[in-house]
Amino acid sequence: QAVLTQPPSASGTPGQRVTISCSGSSSNIESNYVYWYQQLPGTAPQLLIYRNNQRPSGVPGRFSGSKSGTSASLAISGLRSEDEADYYCAAWDDSLRVVFGGGTKLTVL
Amino acid sequence: QVNLVQSGAEVKKPGASVRVSCTASGYTFNTYAITWVRQAPGQGLEWMGWISVYNGDTRYAQKLQGRVTMTTDTSTSTAYMELRSLRSDDTAVYFCVRGHYGFLAEMDVWGKGTTVTVSS
Repeated sequence: QAVLTQPPSASGTPGQRVTISCSGSSSNIESNYVYWYQQLPGTAPQLLIYRNNQRPSGVPGRFSGSKSGTSASLAISGLRSEDEADYYCAAWDDSLRVVFGGGTKLTVL
Repeated sequence: QVNLVQSGAEVKKPGASVRVSCTASGYTFNTYAITWVRQAPGQGLEWMGWISVYNGDTRYAQKLQGRVTMTTDTSTSTAYMELRSLRSDDTAVYFCVRGHYGFLAEMDVWGKGTTVTVSS
């Protein structure tokens, strides 16, 4: 069972804005950075958002991250068909380990 | 170009051991950590642990303590993950990942993964 809680699924139509939540605790999200990973079908995950709200070079500005207290969110605006993927949140936990969310499968209708 | 190249797929019997290699290129090997993450079929990501390439320090997930060993060979820029006493629930894709010291959840380069199948 994953330490961070994400909804198992999310969906939207092209052009829409969707958000994916990630809930944790004082020992992980509240006290450490949050990261988001995108896993396209059949591929390895890739870093999408780092240190709560920073985008690596090459990641479109349509993707944004935020954090408040023990929760974090990933927002995708102007949804595109190629955004259909699994999304995972992650954070360092003060018990000296990396913890992941269970993943959210995003479907573009 | 920064890259992590992993060894090929493995099929093992229960009780056996497996060693997966991960060869880095395109960056100075000891300036980043190596983290191992696995993904069982149809499941999410599971952090297995990490190794400091700089000094060899390791930290393993509690559930794998005693069965997993992570090492590096700086002369060949290669990291290794050995998992012993394999069980069927160890069947998964194993990823090596470059991690940032001080920010170990920041994993910016991923290998393509090595499929390990445990079956009698």
